[in-house]
Amino acid sequence: AAGVIQSPRHLIKEKRETATLKCYPIPRHDTVYWYQQGPGQDPQFLISFYEKMQSDKGSIPDRFSAQQFSDYHSELNMSSLELGDSALYFCASSKRPSSHEQYFGPGTRLTVT
Amino acid sequence: AQSVTQPDIHITVSEGASLELRCNYSYGATPYLFWYVQSPGQGLQLLLKYFSGDTLVQGIKGFEAEFKRSQSSFNLRKPSVHWSDAAEYFCAVGASGGGADGLTFGKGTHLIIQP
Repeated sequence: AAGVIQSPRHLIKEKRETATLKCYPIPRHDTVYWYQQGPGQDPQFLISFYEKMQSDKGSIPDRFSAQQFSDYHSELNMSSLELGDSALYFCASSKRPSSHEQYFGPGTRLTVT
Repeated sequence: AQSVTQPDIHITVSEGASLELRCNYSYGATPYLFWYVQSPGQGLQLLLKYFSGDTLVQGIKGFEAEFKRSQSSFNLRKPSVHWSDAAEYFCAVGASGGGADGLTFGKGTHLIIQP
């Protein structure tokens, strides 16, 4: 079965640079969620989108923005990167807005040097 | 706001012994509850979930969990652990309101298996 696809899987950036992470949901899923997991930490919810509209917002920094496109894929844009942004970024998708049917992708590991 | 507490940061169990990982949640209504497992540097794998019905839930890899409303708990159990079960385990709670709400995770329990 098709799963959530995230790209790139690994990314290395320097401080103050920008990064863009991409998420391709499971086919026919219209809702996307982003999470950040710092080293040794639990995943923290950042933001979600349903039908290209922002649905719920968590602890997303102002330097980050995200959007969902007409094909339902989503991009997380991160600017003015800081060392503390080094983390594993997960995307999840669901067939409709639902907190109990989220399928997680493998994650993108971002390292800021 | 919902919250999850996993009281045990580390647990060490001998291979073949039984396991119970504790999880307590705080939520105003009946929550959606989940257990995920994560190996180092890897993604999150869903072990099991509860959102209604039978309070004893069976999951993958021989895991089960029991929802106890009176204790606000959703403890994970396995009768006999294998060395491959060594990993980080996260309990999570989701809102039951039907929106695209994010899950709230506990801090995790690191499971160590002794030979």
